[in-house]
Amino acid sequence: ELKVEQNPLFLSMQEGKNYTIYCNYSTTSDRLYWYRQDPGKSLESLFVLLSNGAVKQEGRLMASLDTKARLSTLHITAAVHDLSATYFCASGTTSGTYKYIFGTGTRLKVLA
Amino acid sequence: KAGVTQTPRYLIKTRGQQVTLSCSPISGHRSVSWYQQTPGQGLQFLFEYFSETQRNKGNFPGRFSGRQFSNSRSEMNVSTLELGDSALYLCASSLPRDGGYEQYFGPGTRLTVT
Repeated sequence: ELKVEQNPLFLSMQEGKNYTIYCNYSTTSDRLYWYRQDPGKSLESLFVLLSNGAVKQEGRLMASLDTKARLSTLHITAAVHDLSATYFCASGTTSGTYKYIFGTGTRLKVLA
Repeated sequence: KAGVTQTPRYLIKTRGQQVTLSCSPISGHRSVSWYQQTPGQGLQFLFEYFSETQRNKGNFPGRFSGRQFSNSRSEMNVSTLELGDSALYLCASSLPRDGGYEQYFGPGTRLTVT
């Protein structure tokens, strides 16, 4: 079964702290995606990770991919309140036809 | 370039009714996917259309159907609505990129079934 698991599901952190969200996927993935969703809004694309060892950074967010461990991480550095949102990872896989499998999401709350 | 648009944005229906949601992809995108998002089940894939053909289908009952037109616009239909169909329905259009596809999501249609 194609499965993508994220942890933690909920994360409450103080401003200025660092933390990491983990995304494990069970299938051979062509690429790994990270999205952000604000309450009541749609999904905004953050990163596309294409290959083993890929690392991408945008502001206080950094995403990495380890295809051997089937693990992607989203690291938050010196969190600020504006980063409060739900973060989803998704595995893109060519199993038959191309499929997106989304993780459960991590609801992040940054406390001032 | 205009993004993915979905209409209507909000909808209230009663049980037993049917509903049609519309999605206009980004110009040039030929693939359109539909997702249902609920607090309990998260993001679930409904189906994907490419060049007017259903290419992928998720595990939803036959009450959920869709179609795509020659201009790539897509519609999703839900018949005999149930309370559990209340959800945010997201449409995403895709563009081939680096051997895969990158999805761009619309704002969603919030469906409430009473």
